[in-house]
Amino acid sequence: QSVLTQPPSASGTPGQRVTISCSGSSSNIGSNYVFWYQQLPGTAPKLLICRNNQRPSGVPDRFSGSKSGTSASLAISGLRSEDEADYYCAAWDDSLSVRVFGGGTKLTVL
Amino acid sequence: QVQLQESGPGLVKPSGTLSLTCAVSGGSISSSNWWTWVRQPPGKGLEWIGEIYPSGSTNYNPSLTSRVTILIDKSQNQFSLKLNSVTAADTAVYYCARVSSTWGRDAFDLWGQGTMVTVSS
Repeated sequence: QSVLTQPPSASGTPGQRVTISCSGSSSNIGSNYVFWYQQLPGTAPKLLICRNNQRPSGVPDRFSGSKSGTSASLAISGLRSEDEADYYCAAWDDSLSVRVFGGGTKLTVL
Repeated sequence: QVQLQESGPGLVKPSGTLSLTCAVSGGSISSSNWWTWVRQPPGKGLEWIGEIYPSGSTNYNPSLTSRVTILIDKSQNQFSLKLNSVTAADTAVYYCARVSSTWGRDAFDLWGQGTMVTVSS
């Protein structure tokens, strides 16, 4: 059972906009930055979104992040087949004194 | 560009010690970065194990702190992970990663390819 809760799956068709949610609590998302990682099949995770809504260099602007209260979301617009991957949210948890990840959401491009 | 490469035994016996090394190439491990280990059991999510700074300062996941040690070897430009008293629950892909100096301690901006470690007799 992950500290951060994500839907196990999401799907969309090419060109569509999809969102992935990440629910936490006041000790993690509610008081710290949220980060998102993309893990393509068989590869290491890649940093996708920093500090709730900032994109590292090289990340397309089709990817965006937001945070409100104890929840965060990752949005992908103009969906492409190469976006098919697992997506993880992450944050520091003040109560547990540990970096925590969501359980991951498998995105399927139909 | 900086690259990370994990190495170590792919099979460890139960109650034994898991030992992995992460070699840093194309850059210095003594730069102003923390370095970290993350693992991923088969078909499951990510778990943060711990981190180390070039000074030797460490932070560990409280759930693993009694069994884990992370060390840094600046002369070899590498850092290592030791996890003792392993069980089947420690079977996972182990990743080493660099902590971003731009985005803060929770951003892992460079990852190794990962190495699979199986705990079995």
